[in-house]
Amino acid sequence: QQQVKQSPQSLIVQKGGISIINCAYENTAFDYFPWYQQFPGKGPALLIAIRPDVSEKKEGRFTISFNKSAKQFSLHIMDSQPGDSATYFCAALYNQGGKLIFGQGTELSVKP
Amino acid sequence: EPEVTQTPSHQVTQMGQEVILRCVPISNHLYFYWYRQILGQKVEFLVSFYNNEISEKSEIFDDQFSVERPDGSNFTLKIRSTKLEDSAMYFCASTRSDGYTFGSGTRLTVV
Repeated sequence: QQQVKQSPQSLIVQKGGISIINCAYENTAFDYFPWYQQFPGKGPALLIAIRPDVSEKKEGRFTISFNKSAKQFSLHIMDSQPGDSATYFCAALYNQGGKLIFGQGTELSVKP
Repeated sequence: EPEVTQTPSHQVTQMGQEVILRCVPISNHLYFYWYRQILGQKVEFLVSFYNNEISEKSEIFDDQFSVERPDGSNFTLKIRSTKLEDSAMYFCASTRSDGYTFGSGTRLTVV
């Protein structure tokens, strides 16, 4: 019930294409869903986050789509660039100050 | 932009030795965490710390691990007797509410 399942494990996209990463959760008590971007040798950096009272949030080229009934959420990266090549983690949280539950990660490679 | 600072960036230690990993969280944050990431795997929760005490810990966080906030600014993770399987990246994080900020990590290598 505490798990967050993420797919795909790896993704190769051409420059300018759309990258889509999906996550699913079981615990309906989760109320905050962030996405983190991690470059090699660095810590995860918060990219964008959403709460379950909205179905979509957009920040620049990054969009989270949230489907509360299906208990799924996804990250869309529009106009993907080689600089977006990194590992992306979805996560979930169910109380302020609590622990983040991370997905397994998706290694994104954007080819020029 | 405020940062979470971790030292050292890389530590190599002999099996059975004690190590202390250090972190300086963002100054007005209230909640502090340690996470671990074994190479190529997901980020795993170890422990959370609030109001000068542990608020939650995972199964990984056994008696070999301890945390301390000795002086109001530093936050440390001690591993008493390191094992080979403790080799990983250790990340410190802090938050005031739900926007967690992670440090760049300490790569611990146990030989």
